[in-house]
Amino acid sequence: EIVLTQSPATLSLSPGERATLSCRASKSISNYLAWYQQKPGQAPRLLIYDASNRAAGIPARFSGSGFGTDFTLTISSLEPEDFAVYYCQQRANWPFGGGTKVEI
Amino acid sequence: QVRLVESGGGVVQPGRSLRLSCVASGFTFRSHGMHWVRQAPGKGLEWVASLWYDGSDDSYADSVKGRFTISRDNSKNTVFLQMNSLRVEDTAVYYCARDVTPYPPNYFDHWGQGSLVTVSS
Repeated sequence: EIVLTQSPATLSLSPGERATLSCRASKSISNYLAWYQQKPGQAPRLLIYDASNRAAGIPARFSGSGFGTDFTLTISSLEPEDFAVYYCQQRANWPFGGGTKVEI
Repeated sequence: QVRLVESGGGVVQPGRSLRLSCVASGFTFRSHGMHWVRQAPGKGLEWVASLWYDGSDDSYADSVKGRFTISRDNSKNTVFLQMNSLRVEDTAVYYCARDVTPYPPNYFDHWGQGSLVTVSS
């Protein structure tokens, strides 16, 4: 089974700053990676699929990159509504990463 | 717009059964695979089960295999999760989620609001 490790567990930043979140796979998963955002009390939302494609309606400040085992989600300039937990996942039937909480 | 609405959660004793439902609207239900994903209180996300667009193929997480069954009724735009032999560790919010294609696994592009299942004596 492929394990996804997210780092850091918590990222403390201010609005306007750049956020860089990492997801590392235990073996190569090509570009089969998605990023989800979850705010407290809400369902997750798909942000990025196939490592670098933004889902419908996702602002351009969110970008994804990577291939093989190392992936990155970048938020270019944090808005107040971006403070949330972010999960990566290889594909739907596979385990999620442990999550990164982006806090103020 | 796409809408997924879960129901059927509640409090149940260990060893008992419960069936969750998820009614879909705003899209062609029979053209998409469907999933259940859960989240224990204060924990991360765990994929539970998936089902092809026509119900012909299903998959389960090891933690629920043999106890849970996913099914669908395309005439009613509804996907179900039958949960038997429930355990305390099944306590979670259960989300239904739409796959982007008819043939899971791919990605979850729409989610319901969740239904809380509490297993406790």
